[in-house]
Amino acid sequence: DTGVSQDPRHKITKRGQNVTFRCDPISEHNRLYWYRQTLGQGPEFLTYFQNEAQLEKSRLLSDRFSAERPKGSFSTLEIQRTEQGDSAMYLCASSLADTEAFFGQGTRLTVV
Amino acid sequence: GQNIDQPTEMTATEGAIVQINCTYQTSGFNGLFWYQQHAGEAPTFLSYNVLDGLEEKGRFSSFLSRSKGYSYLLLKELQMKDSASYLCAVKDSNYQLIWGAGTKLIIKP
Repeated sequence: DTGVSQDPRHKITKRGQNVTFRCDPISEHNRLYWYRQTLGQGPEFLTYFQNEAQLEKSRLLSDRFSAERPKGSFSTLEIQRTEQGDSAMYLCASSLADTEAFFGQGTRLTVV
Repeated sequence: GQNIDQPTEMTATEGAIVQINCTYQTSGFNGLFWYQQHAGEAPTFLSYNVLDGLEEKGRFSSFLSRSKGYSYLLLKELQMKDSASYLCAVKDSNYQLIWGAGTKLIIKP
């Protein structure tokens, strides 16, 4: 399968714990995006990378969120000191320059 | 601010035609995308418009009018599997995708 893959698919964590998600984009894609989606809403932009450079981060994103793409391939999204409001689907997408983005299956986070 | 508006929910009958509208106000325009999203799954790409007019792809067509800030997705010969949310997204002057909240399409037999 050469699509975008995300791991894990589901994560349940206690409030206050840290979590880390991984995204493996389509191999030749230079852009990688992270979005958050809640029920009945469209994806909310979190951040994006062009190769290994993080070019933009949403102003809505608190300092508890950090993302990396160290070698311009896979990316990780870490949430520190999780809160119940962080419960959502976290989507990763990749694209080649300005072409359409392809999404992974997402990681569903539940904070209890 | 930037805004994408689409109806929250629509209902249509199997075999019929449905048009889902999208209006947008964004800082710049570098293309409009339509995605389909089944419940619990990731969005999948349907169509892309950057110039005015109609783009046809099988049972699905998408129309764009940049002067009106308006697009629609037309679905023909509806099938039960078309029941999903349809998301409109616009790429702004920074090439960032601005997303609508999606239109939930319910297909009845």
